[in-house]
Amino acid sequence: AQSVTQLDSHVSVSEGTPVLLRCNYSSSYSPSLFWYVQHPNKGLQLLLKYTSAATLVKGINGFEAEFKKSETSFHLTKPSAHMSDAAEYFCVVTSYNTDKLIFGTGTRLQVFP
Amino acid sequence: GAGVSQSPRYKVTKRGQDVALRCDPISGHVSLYWYRQALGQGPEFLTYFNYEAQQDKSGLPNDRFSAERPEGSISTLTIQRTEQRDSAMYRCASSLAPGINEQFFGPGTRLTVL
Repeated sequence: AQSVTQLDSHVSVSEGTPVLLRCNYSSSYSPSLFWYVQHPNKGLQLLLKYTSAATLVKGINGFEAEFKKSETSFHLTKPSAHMSDAAEYFCVVTSYNTDKLIFGTGTRLQVFP
Repeated sequence: GAGVSQSPRYKVTKRGQDVALRCDPISGHVSLYWYRQALGQGPEFLTYFNYEAQQDKSGLPNDRFSAERPEGSISTLTIQRTEQRDSAMYRCASSLAPGINEQFFGPGTRLTVL
């Protein structure tokens, strides 16, 4: 079965410093992987997606993620955090042969001034 | 509308009552999905439709939960005889077509069962 593990439930960074949110996946086939962001009292928004094209994926708001098959990882990074990046981030994998999404438990990002 | 809409945004009900949650997908989107998100957790899949056909209902927790999409557009998720453990955020998403992985999410309905 497909699954994702988000290794940190909380990450705190200072504004202007790099962001790293870690995600490992488990899949018996070549998966599609996503990162979604959830701001307080708002819906989930797609940040970026990997669908077996380029392994380095660029998303919105300066975020990017690299698919590493050898490490079964799909970590999310951003060179310089902004206060507006404070939110909950979910790593997501597709389920085999269906369109349903399987979410990780989320990482809450705090950004301090 | 421009995005996925859900109503009501908040619903408080008493244990034992039935509730109906509505989802209006992005116009023209074929696929519609329901997820449930408990506090502090990621969303969990409940069921999904392509057009009016329910494709997968393996995530519905028990037979008190049902969903329909009779005309291939608006969908209703119904919970009968609600229990306190049903309290959660219920999220709806739509995508343009089957196999198109990008799902667009609505704001959710926060259900509280007293």
